Amino acid sequence: EDQVTQSPEALRLQEGESSSLNCSYTVSGLRGLFWYRQDPGKGPEFLFTLYSAGEEKEKERLKATLTKKESFLHITAPKPEDSATYLCASLSGGYNKLIFGAGTRLAVHP
Amino acid sequence: DSGVTQTPKHLITATGQRVTLRCSPRSGDLSVYWYQQSLDQGLQFLIQYYNGEERAKGNILERFSAQQFPDLHSELNLSSLELGDSALYFCASSVESGGASSYNEQFFGPGTRLTVL
Repeated sequence: EDQVTQSPEALRLQEGESSSLNCSYTVSGLRGLFWYRQDPGKGPEFLFTLYSAGEEKEKERLKATLTKKESFLHITAPKPEDSATYLCASLSGGYNKLIFGAGTRLAVHP
Repeated sequence: DSGVTQTPKHLITATGQRVTLRCSPRSGDLSVYWYQQSLDQGLQFLIQYYNGEERAKGNILERFSAQQFPDLHSELNLSSLELGDSALYFCASSVESGGASSYNEQFFGPGTRLTVL
């Protein structure tokens, strides 16, 4: 069965302290690995899609990378407004059903 | 703003009741997806419709049903509600295509928070 596991569950950073979030996946026939940001009580906000191992995408202080077994979301010099839950999800098989990880709750303190 | 709209934002009802949640996809998107997010289960896929037809089913209870109308908006019907159905319900939409493609990217609405008392 397809599975997505995120670590750590929660991460506390000081402003400017760079770090990485991990997303491990076991899926057959990966068609895409998605990253979303979710603020409390809001809908997930699309960040990136990665399609093949070795691919990288960047947006402001965020950079997502993909290997054959995991994806990383690197946060460089974070700011308090980067505080949110970051979700990764896999898309595989014949249908467009996203399998979500439990998320990483990121808190960035001034 | 993702372009996906959901109504109502909040819904409070009693056990045993029936409610309907509504979703309008982004302009041009043919696929609509419903997800449930609860504290202990995370985001769980319920069901997908593509251009009016059911395409895929996930962990959707028999008490729940959905449909997509000719104008592509969708409704999720929840009946015989139980306390455990309290959750955030999200709708997402995409253009959708096979293979690896940006048309598969799903954009989420703001959600409906359902509270069953």
